[in-house]
Amino acid sequence: AQTVTQSQPEMSVQEAETVTLSCTYDTSENNYYLFWYKQPPSRQMILVIRQEAYKQQNATENRFSVNFQKAAKSFSLKISDSQLGDTAMYFCAFMKLSSSKLTFGTGTRLQVTL
Amino acid sequence: EAGVAQSPRYKIIEKRQSVAFWCNPISGHATLYWYQQILGQGPKLLIQFQNNGVVDDSQLPKDRFSAERLKGVDSTLKIQPAKLEDSAVYLCASSPSRYNEQFFGPGTRLTVL
Repeated sequence: AQTVTQSQPEMSVQEAETVTLSCTYDTSENNYYLFWYKQPPSRQMILVIRQEAYKQQNATENRFSVNFQKAAKSFSLKISDSQLGDTAMYFCAFMKLSSSKLTFGTGTRLQVTL
Repeated sequence: EAGVAQSPRYKIIEKRQSVAFWCNPISGHATLYWYQQILGQGPKLLIQFQNNGVVDDSQLPKDRFSAERLKGVDSTLKIQPAKLEDSAVYLCASSPSRYNEQFFGPGTRLTVL
């Protein structure tokens, strides 16, 4: 079974600064996808970024980028130029290619302050 | 494009009562998921449908939970009878196919007293 660990329950960053959220996972699979989802307060969960394990290049989406270390089973999310609208719970998730089931971590609550 | 719709948004019931949740996925999405998100935890998959067939229900407590997706569109999730530990947010998600991005609905917050 796959497990996803997010060791930072809460983090805070000032507006315009950069923050990195950590995620590690455990799997015996070789082919899988990794995701970061954002869940704003009282709003629905949306996909932030996705990484295919077979790709060596780290995924980027505007201000969001990942540091994918396959051997270390690490998948961190970097948010650059943080904005107040980035305040949310962030979930790291794993999906093996033989199933479309998402396994989520426990989340990191990010607060962006002025 | 309309998103995933869920109703009701909130529900309060007493233990041993029954409750049902409804989900309308994005039009054309073949895959539908129900997740349970207990406070302080990440969502956990309960059941996955591909069209109107069940793909994975290994984590669904089948003695009290049931789900159906008639005609491969809308879906309902039922709990009968409810227990205190069922208090959670129930999220519905859909995707065009099994390995595409999942789009989540706003969820139904269930409180069991």
